[in-house]
Amino acid sequence: NAGVTQTPKFRILKIGQSMTLQCTQDMNHNYMYWYRQDPGMGLKLIYYSVGAGITDKGEVPNGYNVSRSTTEDFPLRLELAAPSQTSVYFCASSPRGGNTEAFFGQGTRLTVV
Amino acid sequence: QKEVEQDPGPLSVPEGAIVSLNCTYSNSAFQYFMWYRQYSRKGPELLMYTYSSGNKEDGRFTAQVDKSSKYISLFIRDSQPSDSATYLCAMRPMDSNYQLIWGAGTKLIIKP
Repeated sequence: NAGVTQTPKFRILKIGQSMTLQCTQDMNHNYMYWYRQDPGMGLKLIYYSVGAGITDKGEVPNGYNVSRSTTEDFPLRLELAAPSQTSVYFCASSPRGGNTEAFFGQGTRLTVV
Repeated sequence: QKEVEQDPGPLSVPEGAIVSLNCTYSNSAFQYFMWYRQYSRKGPELLMYTYSSGNKEDGRFTAQVDKSSKYISLFIRDSQPSDSATYLCAMRPMDSNYQLIWGAGTKLIIKP
């Protein structure tokens, strides 16, 4: 049982480049989330999804986009990367609403230079 | 001022000690409280989840919520070197289904 899988694990981007962070889960969870984690700060919710075809903004959505075409996959798109997007990104899923029992992936460390 | 405060540590204790980790918060509307453990370069994993006030125990771990003081605690009994990690608290109000507010985490080191 793989759980939540994120790719890539590490990436260096140049300012202005774009990329997609991949996230897939095999637990058949309807609810999925993208977070960023910065040093000395709590996790911040970027986007979330309550099911295939349904997404909504979290606390810090600017500069990001998401899609949810299947239950399993929830990719995060960064357009025109900026140094402020240097962070560790985590994808998570949960079996029910309320976000009280989330399963996290291993994270993607992104550096924008 | 952050909505949720955690001492970043590191907190270093000898193996076998009882560990107390704490979070304070300012929003009296928070009703759901979670503790996550995060090993270095890994994703967080859920340890405990409590609703409203009171205690909850799971093996060596006990979560405590004091809503009157806006203070939550995680106690670890018989601490092991494998408990060395960063502990994150998270909480949310009743009327928000998805927006958790997270503490920045306390780094715990258990010395053999």
